[in-house]
Amino acid sequence: GQQVMQIPQYQHVQEGEDFTTYCNSSTTLSNIQWYKQRPGGHPVFLIQLVKSGEVKKQKRLTFQFGEAKKNSSLHITATQTTDVGTYFCADPGSSNTGKLIFGQGTTLQVKP
Amino acid sequence: DAGVIQSPRHEVTEMGQEVTLRCKPISGHNSLFWYRQTMMRGLELLIYFNNNVPIDDSGMPEDRFSAKMPNASFSTLKIQPSEPRDSAVYFCASSRQGNLGDTQYFGPGTRLTVL
Repeated sequence: GQQVMQIPQYQHVQEGEDFTTYCNSSTTLSNIQWYKQRPGGHPVFLIQLVKSGEVKKQKRLTFQFGEAKKNSSLHITATQTTDVGTYFCADPGSSNTGKLIFGQGTTLQVKP
Repeated sequence: DAGVIQSPRHEVTEMGQEVTLRCKPISGHNSLFWYRQTMMRGLELLIYFNNNVPIDDSGMPEDRFSAKMPNASFSTLKIQPSEPRDSAVYFCASSRQGNLGDTQYFGPGTRLTVL
């Protein structure tokens, strides 16, 4: 079935280093959403990308949607301990029902 | 505005017992989703409703699981009988229209432990 693959599964960085997680699909995505889940918390919506090649920024976070709309990335510049958590990409698939298929997530640990 | 409300927040029960998880979606949201999260399987969609009607329950593990949405402001997920492998965090989420690209808003989750 349809799914999005995320890499890496885990990433440990020193505070101040950059971090990137990648989301890949074998099929063209209509759009892609990103969510963050803090340890012990629940997923929280970050952003949605819709257009081919789209780039959006939220402070130190940069989100990209591939030209072919088959991949996406989230890049964090100069990580802080508040960035700790699991980052999920989510694919709405082809049905117009609001259903999302979540990737496996990338768990980020930041060493102070 | 209150977010998605789930109860209980924690549940510890013994194998064979019935477990009922509850969810109140954000007022005005027409779609409701039940997820299960474990280390091994990640975040799995169990079932979702649009306008109180179940649309897709293909993610429900087996007949021991059932979900209802009797009205727009309340849903339950029931496990009967419960088994240790059902131990997980169960999230409820809601979205406005249930359309392509709608943002989902998650509740705090219910951490279920079946002994």
